Amino acid sequence: EIVLTQSPGTLSLSPGDRATLSCRASQSVSNNYLAWYQQKPGQAPKLLIYDASSRAAGIPDRFSGSGSGTDFSLTISRLEPEDFAVFYCQQYADSSPLTFGGGTKVEIK
Amino acid sequence: QVQLQESGPGLVKPSETLSLTCAMSGGSISNYYWSWIRQSPGKGLEWIGYIFYSGYTIDYSGYTKYNPSLKSRVAISLDTSENHFFLRLSSVTAADTAVYFCARHSRPQWNHDGFNIWGQGAVVTVST
Repeated sequence: EIVLTQSPGTLSLSPGDRATLSCRASQSVSNNYLAWYQQKPGQAPKLLIYDASSRAAGIPDRFSGSGSGTDFSLTISRLEPEDFAVFYCQQYADSSPLTFGGGTKVEIK
Repeated sequence: QVQLQESGPGLVKPSETLSLTCAMSGGSISNYYWSWIRQSPGKGLEWIGYIFYSGYTIDYSGYTKYNPSLKSRVAISLDTSENHFFLRLSSVTAADTAVYFCARHSRPQWNHDGFNIWGQGAVVTVST
């Protein structure tokens, strides 16, 4: 099983700041099969990034993903008020099982 | 536009079977992978399993894969005529209390994928 560890647990930032979130895998994620999601309270997660660096349909270009192997990151270039939420990474290289990270909460400072 | 909606009992007694339905509208259930995922405060997001039906065979039962940690208790099935798919989780305990989501993998015929369409989630509590 590929274990995903996200850091930090909480990020306190202001609108307009740059946010960098980390996701580290316990073993290499082949083909960079990694996704990022945003989840707001009471809602389902929303796909932001797939294949580590491709933006999903309709996602603003202030969201970007990078990384390979075991180290991945999600960057939000300039935080908008609606961006404050919890973010999860997920690997789909190994479906025994598919796994999610524990999440990073981006909160208003 | 494809939409998903979960339904089922919100309260299940310990040792009984949890049964949920995911109704898909706006598309076809064929050619995509469909997953169940749950979220609880204690365990975060947990993938339960997926099902795939190609539409090119006469076997309508679909291909399934489950999380090894739940495999002995879980069954996912589908009804192609109604565009529904189902989750059954047997012998539930309080640890199965969670919000249960159904979701679609993004690209057709591809299980190595993120989930681009989700239902709103169904809250299920296991309690007497």
